[in-house]
Amino acid sequence: EPEVTQTPSHQVTQMGQEVILRCVPISNHLYFYWYRQILGQKVEFLVSFYNNEISEKSEIFDDQFSVERPDGSNFTLKIRSTKLEDSAMYFCASSEGDGTEAFFGQGTRLTVV
Amino acid sequence: GQSLEQPSEVTAVEGAIVQINCTYQTSGFYGLSWYQQHDGGAPTFLSYNGLDGLEETGRFSSFLSRSDSYGYLLLQELQMKDSASYFCAVLYSSASKIIFGSGTRLSIRP
Repeated sequence: EPEVTQTPSHQVTQMGQEVILRCVPISNHLYFYWYRQILGQKVEFLVSFYNNEISEKSEIFDDQFSVERPDGSNFTLKIRSTKLEDSAMYFCASSEGDGTEAFFGQGTRLTVV
Repeated sequence: GQSLEQPSEVTAVEGAIVQINCTYQTSGFYGLSWYQQHDGGAPTFLSYNGLDGLEETGRFSSFLSRSDSYGYLLLQELQMKDSASYFCAVLYSSASKIIFGSGTRLSIRP
């Protein structure tokens, strides 16, 4: 069964460093999303991506964040200068056409020290 | 603005039925989805309502009333493995955004 894959599963980084989280969405899906979940809290929307550009972004998605689709399969989230409060689980998701069913990857746990 | 409200915790007995409610206030509403998340896992899709009424998928059913900005997830014949967090999520038109509620933690007792 097709699935969304994310790498790495866990990343530890020093405050101020840049990190790139990687995702491979399901191949025929058109919409891609990044979410963040701080331990025990809600799943927070960061950004959506469609047709090779950002479709929508939340107030969390400030200038330190960026997304790219560098090739036909990968979808990346870059955090330029990490802060302690960026420590969270980051989920990538993709949707086939209308967003009614989003498929989530297993997440990358980011720890900023 | 936008808001979704759902109870933070619900406890039920194995074999019973439980209903998790969700109310929302938002513009650009397209539909309401439900997701399940086990501890340490990823959200997984359960059900979607684009129109008013009941959608049934096995032991899970979901209901939507657009006029009341209200929906619920109904879980029947509860099993211990149903212990998880359940999120309602609003889908905005053009699929540009899926916003999750704060989640309901369902605990099931034998």
